[in-house]
Amino acid sequence: SVLLYQKPNRDICQSGTSLKIQCVADSQVVSMFWYQQFQEQSLMLMATANEGSEATYESGFTKDKFPISRPNLTFSTLTVNNARPGDSSIYFCSSRAGGRGEQYFGPGTRLTVL
Amino acid sequence: GEKVEQHESTLSVREGDSAVINCTYTDTASSYFPWYKQEAGKGLHFVIDIRSNVDRKQSQRLIVLLDKKAKRFSLHITATQPEDSAIYFCAASWMDSNYQLIWGSGTKLIIKP
Repeated sequence: SVLLYQKPNRDICQSGTSLKIQCVADSQVVSMFWYQQFQEQSLMLMATANEGSEATYESGFTKDKFPISRPNLTFSTLTVNNARPGDSSIYFCSSRAGGRGEQYFGPGTRLTVL
Repeated sequence: GEKVEQHESTLSVREGDSAVINCTYTDTASSYFPWYKQEAGKGLHFVIDIRSNVDRKQSQRLIVLLDKKAKRFSLHITATQPEDSAIYFCAASWMDSNYQLIWGSGTKLIIKP
């Protein structure tokens, strides 16, 4: 399995500001995924980040709004630019231990935008 | 594209009874079906999975059944306990999509004393 750590656990920010969410894995992983979850709803895949390449974004998510960095095989950051109240949700990083689907999640970062 | 439908949005069962959560999928190429548990205010934890080469898998009180003909899979929790209360998500993926998970909408399981 893979253990994922996220920082911060929660954050409150003002509209128009930017914030960074960090994700650290306890072992090297090829792909890291970032998900958004609104209160008790399903998860939405935002983007997939592989080391040394640009993240691949899903429909509805853009690089300008949610830039993601993946500088090495254990680390990724998600930035929320120009935060709006509609961005208030939980953000999870995730990764796989093997190639066939077992996927693990970080504890999540609960973001509130005022 | 692939869709996963999770039929019960909320399920309430008495402690000690069994709970069954059902999901259906649309793509016959789907080959991997995990289940995750999310307790209130917490992250997602993997609980059990099943692959398309089998139709039943059990881990202690958890049983997953897969009916490929009906494109349906289900999670059975036997002898439910208060700590089983959580939201359960099903998902499906397949090899050609690099096992990208397509998620169900979640079932809130409530265990009544």
